[in-house]
Amino acid sequence: GNSVTQMEGPVTLSEEAFLTINCTYTATGYPSLFWYVQYPGEGLQLLLKATKADDKGSNKGFEATYRKETTSFHLEKGSVQVSDSAVYFCALTARQLTFGSGTQLTVLP
Amino acid sequence: KAGVTQTPRYLIKTRGQQVTLSCSPISGHRSVSWYQQTPGQGLQFLFEYFSETQRNKGNFPGRFSGRQFSNSRSEMNVSTLELGDSALYLCASSFGDKGEKLFFGSGTQLSVL
Repeated sequence: GNSVTQMEGPVTLSEEAFLTINCTYTATGYPSLFWYVQYPGEGLQLLLKATKADDKGSNKGFEATYRKETTSFHLEKGSVQVSDSAVYFCALTARQLTFGSGTQLTVLP
Repeated sequence: KAGVTQTPRYLIKTRGQQVTLSCSPISGHRSVSWYQQTPGQGLQFLFEYFSETQRNKGNFPGRFSGRQFSNSRSEMNVSTLELGDSALYLCASSFGDKGEKLFFGSGTQLSVL
């Protein structure tokens, strides 16, 4: 079946540091890939998506590239802010969304 | 435009009871999906409804059921509650096309004592 393996957290960074959260997947066919973010006490919000190989999703300074050869969709941001502190979920969809375990990010001022 | 609304926000029940959670999707959305979020198991897919029909189902026991009404509002029911059912239950809506993004509600936090 489909699965998503995500970098274990928690991750703690200083403001303006570079962020990478690794995500790899196993799926049949050609799934769409997503990053969702969950702020404390809230539901999930879509951060970015990519629907085919070599697509790059980007939003709010975050980027991720759909790499079919390495079955990866790593999340990156060049300079994190305190307001980026949240839990980040990598996900794929074929018939339904399958999520990774989530990575807690804390950004310190 | 209003987002996905879930009620109630918090719920406390005891073992053996049953519970019904409600979800109102974004206007125009015909697909509603339900997820269970726990610290140990993460986010797990329960089921999806589209135009009043269950279109997809995850690996949960039959105690977990749902339905969707003609106005796309959905309810989820859990019977004979167990301690392990304590979780945040999230509802998400979309137009229903494959690969499109989901819009999530803030969830219902269920505690089973």
